[in-house]
Amino acid sequence: EVQLVESGGGLVQPGGSLRLSCAASGFTFSSYWMSWVRQAPGKGLEWVANIRQGGSEKYYLDSLKGRFTISRDNAKNSLYLQMNSLRAEDTAVYYCARYSESSGYLDYWGQGTLVSVSS
Amino acid sequence: IQMTQSPSSVSASVGDRVTITCRASQGIVSYLAWYQQKPGKAPKFLMSAASSFQSGVPSRFSGSGYGTDFTLTISSLQPEDFATYYCQQANSFPLTFGGGTRVEI
Repeated sequence: EVQLVESGGGLVQPGGSLRLSCAASGFTFSSYWMSWVRQAPGKGLEWVANIRQGGSEKYYLDSLKGRFTISRDNAKNSLYLQMNSLRAEDTAVYYCARYSESSGYLDYWGQGTLVSVSS
Repeated sequence: IQMTQSPSSVSASVGDRVTITCRASQGIVSYLAWYQQKPGKAPKFLMSAASSFQSGVPSRFSGSGYGTDFTLTISSLQPEDFATYYCQQANSFPLTFGGGTRVEI
């Protein structure tokens, strides 16, 4: 059974940093692209970033470039999102998801972790 | 690529046929996916426009479309189908989602 479990969310002050983690199991993690998607309270879904199987290729939402960094450790079956210079508008539930390279859809999602940016 | 979903919400009854549309600002071939999200839960992949279904998705759900216009149809709405539905284009980065369609009683 495919499982994705996010962790690392919490309350952080504006300008602060957080590192989210996503632990994957039930599939060959190193064979898949992975994604982060976020959802602000009461709002729709917003794609954040993608990373290729080996980590050499990454894509980001333009507005987040330079502040957010996606990475992975295939030996630990883990995906990460380093978030710096956080703003109130980054407040959201952050989901990790498995990305289907051939079709571009996100076929499995974690339960999400809430990031709240507030003073 | 901007994705526009309509309607933003729809009120329906059990047994009704519901159709949700999604329009892309430029052609995306068949690179479109549909998701279902229930309150407080993660989104769940339903299907792609290329008719790739997630296992366990009931046959009352169907999708169609090509290029810029796509539809998701629920042929006979069931109580467990009341949720918000999102489309997502998968043609190019950045991946983009439609604004969502809330299906409510």
